[in-house]
Amino acid sequence: QVQLQESGPGLVTPSQTLSLTCTVSGASISGGGYYCSWIRQHPVEGLEWLGYIYYSGTTSYNPSLKSRVIISLDTSKNQFSLRLSSVTAADTAIYYCASMPATNFWYFDLWGRGTLVTVSS
Amino acid sequence: EIVLTQSPGTLSLSPGERATLSCRASQSVSSTYLAWYQQKPGQAPRLLVSGASNRATGIPDRFSGSGSGTDFTLTISRLEPEDFAVYYCQQYGRSLWTFGQGTKVEI
Repeated sequence: QVQLQESGPGLVTPSQTLSLTCTVSGASISGGGYYCSWIRQHPVEGLEWLGYIYYSGTTSYNPSLKSRVIISLDTSKNQFSLRLSSVTAADTAIYYCASMPATNFWYFDLWGRGTLVTVSS
Repeated sequence: EIVLTQSPGTLSLSPGERATLSCRASQSVSSTYLAWYQQKPGQAPRLLVSGASNRATGIPDRFSGSGSGTDFTLTISRLEPEDFAVYYCQQYGRSLWTFGQGTKVEI
């Protein structure tokens, strides 16, 4: 079955760039069957959608973060990545990668297990 | 941005009881674009319902969703021990996906 797995540093220094990768197994990103999203969960603020990328390279970002976030694809590795620049303590959260069916891209049907990222010096 | 408000914040019930969770939107949401998730401690959210009332694959029929416009409901007809968790509603609109703050169902 399709699985998603996040990876990346668990600790990021303030003002630096947070970088995470999601590895997809069981399906090909190039197949175009789904949108690849990043979502984060703050302890208090809750769940926040960050953005998505489609196999074509089309992206969409949450306007609240648009100037700081970039999502990219590496189809050769069946991975997609998140870069969030100029991080602060407010970016401390659990980061999830998730998929949306291409024909029903309004809900998230599969999620990775999540990875905790702490922003601290 | 459409804001989703869930109530109550916490629901204290016993196994076998019925749970009724509410999700209210700040603007009208198409039923097609309303989903519900379950999250247990240390786990990612899991899709329960999409399109306001369509159970996801493998979800027991004790879970049911309903509603339209600005008011949506998730009902668990008879709580099983594994149903005690946090539940989130989520909507899609104007190229933005947003979540409610969650309802915790506890024993």
